[in-house]
Amino acid sequence: DAKTTQPTSMDCAEGRAANLPCNHSTISGNEYVYWYRQIHSQGPQYIIHGLKNNETNEMASLIITEDRKSSTLILPHATLRDTAVYYCIVRGPTRGGSNYKLTFGKGTLLTVNP
Amino acid sequence: NAGVMQNPRHLVRRRGQEARLRCSPMKGHSHVYWYRQLPEEGLKFMVYLQKENIIDESGMPKERFSAEFPKEGPSILRIQQVVRGDSAAYFCASSPGYGSEKLFFGSGTQLSVL
Repeated sequence: DAKTTQPTSMDCAEGRAANLPCNHSTISGNEYVYWYRQIHSQGPQYIIHGLKNNETNEMASLIITEDRKSSTLILPHATLRDTAVYYCIVRGPTRGGSNYKLTFGKGTLLTVNP
Repeated sequence: NAGVMQNPRHLVRRRGQEARLRCSPMKGHSHVYWYRQLPEEGLKFMVYLQKENIIDESGMPKERFSAEFPKEGPSILRIQQVVRGDSAAYFCASSPGYGSEKLFFGSGTQLSVL
């Protein structure tokens, strides 16, 4: 799986959009970008994933650059409960049962301030 | 619909004792993964199991650690003769089957070895 690079920490004001960047310059053509987050003392939680098109769900939006070498996770209106470590993970296709592992890095600690 | 259940939430053992960590996957899920998170480190894959079958144990230490997922009952991660270095948070995740894109994590078991 391709390596990812994320800032160690970021701050965001409550109610503002939080934009979390991730670099994955060695990503392969069939590898997906996944985002998980881990709130303190809890297990990781799936947020969103995408291949090359931008994706949006009830939690967040994922913007992937055209060359797919980087992406941004957007939390449109951050709340205090969004304070967590956010992990950007590159993973191959899971069809056929392959690429079942998630390889977690250090992630970005997002602190949402009141 | 209950999520992934792990127990106990906290487990304290003295050096040399055995630790048993339990994981009940989400309803309808037949695949279980175990991850370990050492203090100040990221989550590391340990083992991937299907009911009555170990699919991948490449992340398991060669000695003292074992895992099972019987036909009936929860998955068990067993650590024999625990040492202080085994102190960590152990997370279980489940998925419906092969090719699952999302993993659903439990809240973890915090193992402390005195």
